[in-house]
Amino acid sequence: DGGITQSPKYLFRKEGQNVTLSCEQNLNHDAMYWYRQDPGQGLRLIYYSQIVNDFQKGDIAEGYSVSREKKESFPLTVTSAQKNPTAFYLCASSRRAGNRDEQYFGPGTRLTVT
Amino acid sequence: EDKVVQSPLSLVVHEGDTVTLNCSYEVTNFRSLLWYKQEKKAPTFLFMLTSSGIEKKSGRLSSILDKKELFSILNITATQTGDSAIYLCAVGLLSQGGSEKLVFGKGTKLTVNP
Repeated sequence: DGGITQSPKYLFRKEGQNVTLSCEQNLNHDAMYWYRQDPGQGLRLIYYSQIVNDFQKGDIAEGYSVSREKKESFPLTVTSAQKNPTAFYLCASSRRAGNRDEQYFGPGTRLTVT
Repeated sequence: EDKVVQSPLSLVVHEGDTVTLNCSYEVTNFRSLLWYKQEKKAPTFLFMLTSSGIEKKSGRLSSILDKKELFSILNITATQTGDSAIYLCAVGLLSQGGSEKLVFGKGTKLTVNP
């Protein structure tokens, strides 16, 4: 059963705490992406990775960090420096970066910080 | 700055109606235009368009791209309540470093009433 999994579905944290969101794919895709979605907004790109051990900042990278130590995994850390962390976070992957391949999305993690 | 604008932002119709959703864009290094349907969580892929004037069709959904006028439309005929969702338009463009990234519009929220 191939796909992208994100965990947990819902996450609650206190302000000032770092939190890590998990994203795993077994599609053998090279490229992985993190997006943030706020109500009434489209998806905004946080970070993306074309290959293992490489990643680039997206449009709203401040307050976030990522790692890509394995092809299957692309965890996102929301740090205490992120001013408005409460949002719906979506992870995606595509077969190859730089190629016209559609992105497949995971089910998302809804993060609430109080 | 790369921009993708969808209209209308919200639409309410009755079952059986035909709807047209619009997506216009202003980006550098255009590669593709994609449509996604988002019901509760993960956006699901509908179409990828790369060439002007060639209609893509899947059941009651169809889409076409105009690269001269920089827009795309998504048509849904004989709408059903199951078509209720947010429809996202995204433009794939080549970013610095040679990777492809997607820029999303804010989405059109379609509600189909019985």
